[in-house]
Amino acid sequence: QKEVEQNSGPLSVPEGAIASLNCTYSDRGSQSFFWYRQYSGKSPELIMSIYSNGDKEDGRFTAQLNKASQYVSLLIRDSQPSDSATYLCAGSNSGYALNFGKGTSLLVTP
Amino acid sequence: DTEVTQTPKHLVMGMTNKKSLKCEQHMGHRAMYWYKQKAKKPPELMFVYSYEKLSINESVPSRFSPECPNSSLLNLHLHALQPEDSALYLCASSPRALAGNEQFFGPGTRLTVL
Repeated sequence: QKEVEQNSGPLSVPEGAIASLNCTYSDRGSQSFFWYRQYSGKSPELIMSIYSNGDKEDGRFTAQLNKASQYVSLLIRDSQPSDSATYLCAGSNSGYALNFGKGTSLLVTP
Repeated sequence: DTEVTQTPKHLVMGMTNKKSLKCEQHMGHRAMYWYKQKAKKPPELMFVYSYEKLSINESVPSRFSPECPNSSLLNLHLHALQPEDSALYLCASSPRALAGNEQFFGPGTRLTVL
């Protein structure tokens, strides 16, 4: 079973703080990982892709991948109320499909 | 143009109706996908088209019939649906149907089956 696990939350952080979202995966064949943001009633929006061990930064977002520990994370710096959404972690191995986690609900409080 | 468009945004249909969902992208992507998403669940893959050919059918009931008329268009034909088929139907595209390719989603069609 190729599983991607996420804590469903909700994760509540105050405005301006760092939000840390975590994801673990069981399929060691997974090579690529993606973070999608999904607002209620809307479609998933790709915000980060990461393919190799280490950190990847894009604006306020940093994705981290540790293949030895089978762990992916997303850090959101200076969190804003507009970041309140569900964040979906997805992994990809050799196939077409993205293996999605169930998502973590993030609430940024003013 | 860096977006995937879907029509209609909302669709209400009876169990005896026939309707179609449409998806379009002009990014030159050669892989297109249909997903189904129920409330508070992640998207579930239904179909994958690669170079206009159906590559994956994830054991989807025959009341859902996909079609890829050309490299930019993807349709999903619906017939004799059940109320449990009510969901958000998402189209996505990627440059190729390969592992590691980023998938970009359209806004979705909210389907209600009465």
